[in-house]
Amino acid sequence: AQRVTQPEKLLSVFKGAPVELKCNYSYSGSPELFWYVQYSRQRLQLLLRHISRESIKGFTADLNKGETSFHLKKPFAQEEDSAMYYCALRSSSNTGKLIFGQGTTLQVKP
Amino acid sequence: EAGVVQSPRYKIIEKKQPVAFWCNPISGHNTLYWYRQNLGQGPELLIRYENEEAVDDSQLPKDRFSAERLKGVDSTLKIQPAELGDSAVYLCASSLKSAGGAQYFGPGTRLTVL
Repeated sequence: AQRVTQPEKLLSVFKGAPVELKCNYSYSGSPELFWYVQYSRQRLQLLLRHISRESIKGFTADLNKGETSFHLKKPFAQEEDSAMYYCALRSSSNTGKLIFGQGTTLQVKP
Repeated sequence: EAGVVQSPRYKIIEKKQPVAFWCNPISGHNTLYWYRQNLGQGPELLIRYENEEAVDDSQLPKDRFSAERLKGVDSTLKIQPAELGDSAVYLCASSLKSAGGAQYFGPGTRLTVL
């Protein structure tokens, strides 16, 4: 079964500390992985996708097929990074359907 | 660009009452999605449209839920009758194409069933 697991419901760090939000997936084929972010009182928005291999707002994520992981990382957290982060998977069959994890709340303390 | 528009933003009803949600996707986006997000969970797909055709409604509880996308633009999701367990945020998203297209989400409708 296709599944996305985000083991941490809450991650709290101090400003300037490194951040790693964990995401593991279960899928037999070659999925497409995404990170979505939802800031307070805003809509869900795409942060980055693995095929783009780009850094957005200082965040990066590398797809590790061996470990079936797609962890989101940032070397120095900022207070404005505080938000809800969702990892999502889209199957290679290109149905368009996104399967989301439960989300991790990132709290960056001053 | 206005983005995906949804209304109403909030809705409180009593159980067994009907309720409807409306979505206007980004102009030119052929694919439209309805997701349901329960408290503390990630969104789950209910139905996907390609233009006016529902191409994936396998997760839609068809005994009480219905949806339509007339003319391949706006869409309406209806629940009749609503149950307590239907309390959730209902999200609409759209994309240029289902395969490889980034999905853009609306603000959602928060439904509370009393």
